Amino acid sequence: QSVLTQPPSVSEAPGQRVTISCTGSSSNIGAGYDVHWYQQLPGRAPKVLISGKNNRPSGVPDRFSGSKSGSSASLAITGLQADDEADYYCQSYDNSLGGSWVFGEGTKLTVL
Amino acid sequence: QVQLQESGPGLVKPSETLSLTCSVSGGSIRSYYWSWIRQSPGKGLEWIGFVYSTGNTRYNPSLKSRVSISVDTSKNQFSLQLTSVTAADTAVYSCARGPSSDWSPFDLWGQGTLVTVSS
Repeated sequence: QSVLTQPPSVSEAPGQRVTISCTGSSSNIGAGYDVHWYQQLPGRAPKVLISGKNNRPSGVPDRFSGSKSGSSASLAITGLQADDEADYYCQSYDNSLGGSWVFGEGTKLTVL
Repeated sequence: QVQLQESGPGLVKPSETLSLTCSVSGGSIRSYYWSWIRQSPGKGLEWIGFVYSTGNTRYNPSLKSRVSISVDTSKNQFSLQLTSVTAADTAVYSCARGPSSDWSPFDLWGQGTLVTVSS
């Protein structure tokens, strides 16, 4: 069981908006640590989608955005496209038990 | 651009040591942090540990007693050793660049390599 909780799957039609939640606790997201989001396309390595306070690496479209509130974070994707179909992971730092970088279990996005 | 490639045995026997190497191409291994991350079947991602290019290391407390990560700057490679493996260590093992701080992401990943622990 991962330290950060994500829904196993979400689905939405092309052109629509979808959000993926990432729920943590007072020792990670709630402690103020940044949340990062990764996209893993089928058969590919994960890549950074959103870093920290809604920073998008070069090449990531502004259809992707991140937000954080309390001990939770969310990834929003607008104008869904077929090639957005992928696994999405959140990641943060946890300061309990000696400290460790932690991930969510991932959310499979299906574009209907 | 910088690329990472994992290599090593895909099958390890229980109680033996898992050994993997990550080769960094297209850039220098110096002045960066380099991590190993794994994903067990049906489970999420787990950070194993990192090594800095000077050799300083930090490990996941849950694996610390069994993990060793080292760096060879002359070969632009870093390596993972995980001792006393069990079936629970079966996973896709990936190398990644980072994190440079508690607030930083893993900004570059290898494709990952499946390691199965079985007799």
